[in-house]
Amino acid sequence: QKEVEQDPGPLSVPEGAIVSLNCTYSNSAFQYFMWYRQYSRKGPELLMYTYSSGNKEDGRFTAQVDKSSKYISLFIRDSQPSDSATYLCAMRAGGGNKLTFGTGTQLKVEL
Amino acid sequence: DADVTQTPRNRITKTGKRIMLECSQTKGHDRMYWYRQDPGLGLRLIYYSFDVKDINKGEISDGYSVSRQAQAKFSLSLESAIPNQTALYFCATSPGQQETQYFGPGTRLLVL
Repeated sequence: QKEVEQDPGPLSVPEGAIVSLNCTYSNSAFQYFMWYRQYSRKGPELLMYTYSSGNKEDGRFTAQVDKSSKYISLFIRDSQPSDSATYLCAMRAGGGNKLTFGTGTQLKVEL
Repeated sequence: DADVTQTPRNRITKTGKRIMLECSQTKGHDRMYWYRQDPGLGLRLIYYSFDVKDINKGEISDGYSVSRQAQAKFSLSLESAIPNQTALYFCATSPGQQETQYFGPGTRLLVL
């Protein structure tokens, strides 16, 4: 079993929809949680960075962490075609140096 | 200009050849990383370096070596390339342990 599980998709939604992307994990030592967006033929870019449980909002994006369930989510409101990309979750233990990534979910927002 | 650059962006090589991938950064970060990305496997850490004198193996270091020539430069070498090293390779940097990582644009490597 992988430490971080992420549905690869593809997920296809109409423009304006609310998108929910999720990851589950098994390592209870993970305390830092990140979402990266990766466009085709580009490197991952950081979208959201959260510590421990709770919500964090940045514009149309909301990151949610539920440590009791070992479950993290990224919500995208009013999705746009420019949001079409692969979204990678990543996480790290409190004293650790290494990021563990999910395999990524491919999202397509259609006009 | 991009903060993290990788050269080459694309490379085709043959089995058994030695190849070097280079990474440079202008972010002033001490920590640098090399990852490979494969479909269905995500990003996996090959090597990382916390400063010029510090090199550490990641989860898949076999068949790879690295050199940290300066704070801003971190190179990845494949001593004798094999087809299953065909992948997308990313360099990343970080200012410190509590900070996240910033990725370069990637090098697409094909080993025939």
